[in-house]
Amino acid sequence: GDSVTQMEGPVTLSEEAFLTINCTYTATGYPSLFWYVQYPGEGLQLLLKATKADDKGSNKGFEATYRKETTSFHLEKGSVQVSDSAVYFCALIQNSGYSTLTFGKGTMLLVSP
Amino acid sequence: NAGVTQTPKFQVLKTGQSMTLQCAQDMNHEYMSWYRQDPGMGLRLIHYSVGAGITDQGEVPNGYNVSRSTTEDFPLRLLSAAPSQTSVYFCASSYSGQVSSYEQYFGPGTRLTVT
Repeated sequence: GDSVTQMEGPVTLSEEAFLTINCTYTATGYPSLFWYVQYPGEGLQLLLKATKADDKGSNKGFEATYRKETTSFHLEKGSVQVSDSAVYFCALIQNSGYSTLTFGKGTMLLVSP
Repeated sequence: NAGVTQTPKFQVLKTGQSMTLQCAQDMNHEYMSWYRQDPGMGLRLIHYSVGAGITDQGEVPNGYNVSRSTTEDFPLRLLSAAPSQTSVYFCASSYSGQVSSYEQYFGPGTRLTVT
């Protein structure tokens, strides 16, 4: 079955540092890929998505590129802020028929001033 | 729009008790689902529904029951609570389960403790 693997956290950074959170996937066919963010005490929110190979999703300074050759969708941000502290989930969904999201285990990001 | 709402926010149950977690959305979404979130496990799908009257099992359905009598509501029933069901439960909805690029909207969660 489909699966998503994320780097384990927590990732601890100082404000304005560069962020990378690695995500790789195993899936048949050509799934759509997502990053969701969960702020403390809240539900998940969609951060960005990419629906086909070489697409780049971007939002709020975060970016991720759908790399089919390496089955990866790494999340990056050039300069993190304290307000970016949250748990980040990589996820995929198949593009055929009724399908459901498969999530990675999540990576906690802690940004200090 | 209120989006996806869940009640209660917190609940403590004793082993063997039953209860219903409520989920409602006001976006006319066809697709609704329930996930549980456990430390180090990410989110795992319990049950989902692609429209009123249609439900199906996800990855971890045992001990849970669902029904979908209206488009708006998708309650999750715990039949006989067990400590292994201590978790945070999230409800989510989207326009259609058939279009994978549609965003899923999540509720704020229900934190359940079973003693």
